[in-house]
Amino acid sequence: GAGVSQSPSNKVTEKGKDVELRCDPISGHTALYWYRQSLGQGLEFLIYFQGNSAPDKSGLPSDRFSAERTGGSVSTLTIQRTQQEDSAVYLCASSFFRTELFFGSGTQLSVL
Amino acid sequence: GENVEQHPSTLSVQEGDSAVIKCTYSDSASNYFPWYKQELGKRPQLIIDIRSNVGEKKDQRIAVTLNKTAKHFSLHITETQPEDSAVYFCAASITRGGANSKLTFGKGITLSVRP
Repeated sequence: GAGVSQSPSNKVTEKGKDVELRCDPISGHTALYWYRQSLGQGLEFLIYFQGNSAPDKSGLPSDRFSAERTGGSVSTLTIQRTQQEDSAVYLCASSFFRTELFFGSGTQLSVL
Repeated sequence: GENVEQHPSTLSVQEGDSAVIKCTYSDSASNYFPWYKQELGKRPQLIIDIRSNVGEKKDQRIAVTLNKTAKHFSLHITETQPEDSAVYFCAASITRGGANSKLTFGKGITLSVRP
């Protein structure tokens, strides 16, 4: 089937605006992750959903960031009142229990 | 929480030589250690992983070794080729009851293989 799908692939927004990033995981995958990758930086963990368990939100950098996963499938990452330092590639990944993470192609967010 | 560090941040080798990339982790409870490769403009992909019940795992030209006492693990690439040029990320997590905790990545190492 299809891999992990993210939309939009690119998003340009003005400082102070809200943005929503979408992730469609691989069907049947129980775990879903959001990571942020800034230029020259590693993969910064943001949030992790595993089945019906409470999400691990320990990586969210501020209360402007939130995420939800509806029906155990699609996830939306919302950034409110965007700042220039939020500019990065936002990567979503899914996995089935202990198997490997499959990454989407990411959303390049640019905050002007 | 878990902290994963990679050394060095960049590595350049001659084609045909071996490359070794090292990672350290902080949480002694971590028991799953994957390596991901990210080619320029592409998404990260798993290339090899190791669990804490083994000390070494090999897959063709790549191998990973784990030293639980020292809390470090290394990626070994033999007979390097230009297509091995990429950013390599190590990661660590805790696996319990069949599910992983969050996967914590290092900052990545850029490997350049000179033809």
